[in-house]
Amino acid sequence: SSELTQDPTVSVALGQTVRITCRGDSLGSYYATWYQQKPGQAPILVFYGHNNRPSGIPGRFSGSSSGNTASLTITGAQAEDEADYYCNSRDSSGNHLVFGGGTKLTVL
Amino acid sequence: EVQLLESGGGLVQPGGSLRLSCAASGFTFSSYAMSWVRQAPGKGLEWVSSISGSGGSTYYADSVKGRLTISRDNSKNELYLQVNSLRADDTAVYYCAKDLFSGYDSRGVFDSWGQGTLVTGSS
Repeated sequence: SSELTQDPTVSVALGQTVRITCRGDSLGSYYATWYQQKPGQAPILVFYGHNNRPSGIPGRFSGSSSGNTASLTITGAQAEDEADYYCNSRDSSGNHLVFGGGTKLTVL
Repeated sequence: EVQLLESGGGLVQPGGSLRLSCAASGFTFSSYAMSWVRQAPGKGLEWVSSISGSGGSTYYADSVKGRLTISRDNSKNELYLQVNSLRADDTAVYYCAKDLFSGYDSRGVFDSWGQGTLVTGSS
């Protein structure tokens, strides 16, 4: 079982704001990193660290963290944001990397 | 432009072995930690292993330790994953991934991914 817990499914109405969460003890010590994966494609990096968005990622993607929970927020979700989203970080020992189980985002 | 191209996947009988390769281009390969991440059919991402830029440090998920070996040849800009004693639950698409940051062990921030190579463990 994953040491990072994500809600399996989340839905959002087109143009509305959605928050995808990732919970784990290690997130009290390490930042989460967020990836987007569309069917049949490799994942892409969408947010990392305290407040970092790779070039080419729309500004509607943002991240935050509080205690043992990290969040990826999409402000004004678009149809093309429909995808699986994964968080990763170090595990509680700090020696290994671990992914959350993933969240399937549906844009209605 | 960074490019990562995996190869070496295929159908292997349980107990068998294979070696996956990842050819890298578009960046100074030896400066970056590299990792393997796999995804079983219809399942989520699973970190498998990471290696430092020099190759001197390696890390493995508990689920594969002792059976999988990560290595790299910086003169050829290639990353490898040797899979031994293959099991049915090793069936997955295997991605190689490049760290965003240079000069460190993997921090798990993967800014470039290959398209993956499918490994199927079945008789």
